[in-house]
Amino acid sequence: AQSVTQLDSHVSVSEGTPVLLRCNYSSSYSPSLFWYVQHPNKGLQLLLKYTSAATLVKGINGFEAEFKKSETSFHLTKPSAHMSDAAEYFCVVSDLRNYGQNFVFGPGTRLSVLP
Amino acid sequence: ETGVTQTPRHLVMGMTNKKSLKCEQHLGHNAMYWYKQSAKKPLELMFVYSLEERVENNSVPSRFSPECPNSSHLFLHLHTLQPEDSALYLCASSQARELGNQPQHFGDGTRLSIL
Repeated sequence: AQSVTQLDSHVSVSEGTPVLLRCNYSSSYSPSLFWYVQHPNKGLQLLLKYTSAATLVKGINGFEAEFKKSETSFHLTKPSAHMSDAAEYFCVVSDLRNYGQNFVFGPGTRLSVLP
Repeated sequence: ETGVTQTPRHLVMGMTNKKSLKCEQHLGHNAMYWYKQSAKKPLELMFVYSLEERVENNSVPSRFSPECPNSSHLFLHLHTLQPEDSALYLCASSQARELGNQPQHFGDGTRLSIL
């Protein structure tokens, strides 16, 4: 069975400082991993994905994540936070099933950016 | 614009009403999903359709009834709902498993409030 742990329910950073959102996963298969962002009253937007190619994945809005198999981690980082980054972030692990995909969502991390 | 459109964006209904949520995707995908997002809980997968056939139902109460008339449209029919059903209902779509682990694309959701 798969699972996702997001170690921090809330992270607060100052504008212009680095962002680190942590994600650990467990999977019986070679996983695919995704990060999504959700702004208030909006749906989930894909930030980036890892699907067994390069372990360092670059996404939109300056975010990137590194897949570390030995640590079963897929942490999300950004060098410099912007006010518009304040949102909820979800780490997702996926495997293929007969019907398509099985997405398992983490509980989410709320990112606050202080001026 | 995500390519997945949900209507209505907001819905208030009494427990004895019957209503339907609609989802339409313009991405050429052939799998569609309904999720429930409640406050302080992880996303819950409700239904999965692949190639217009329902392939997963995660023990959802029968007061929720999905319908997928074609690969571009997905409905969620609601009747005699309970107050605990108040939540954000998200629709998503993705490409077939034969293309590997493709990301799911989400609509902005329908905010449902049960009086």
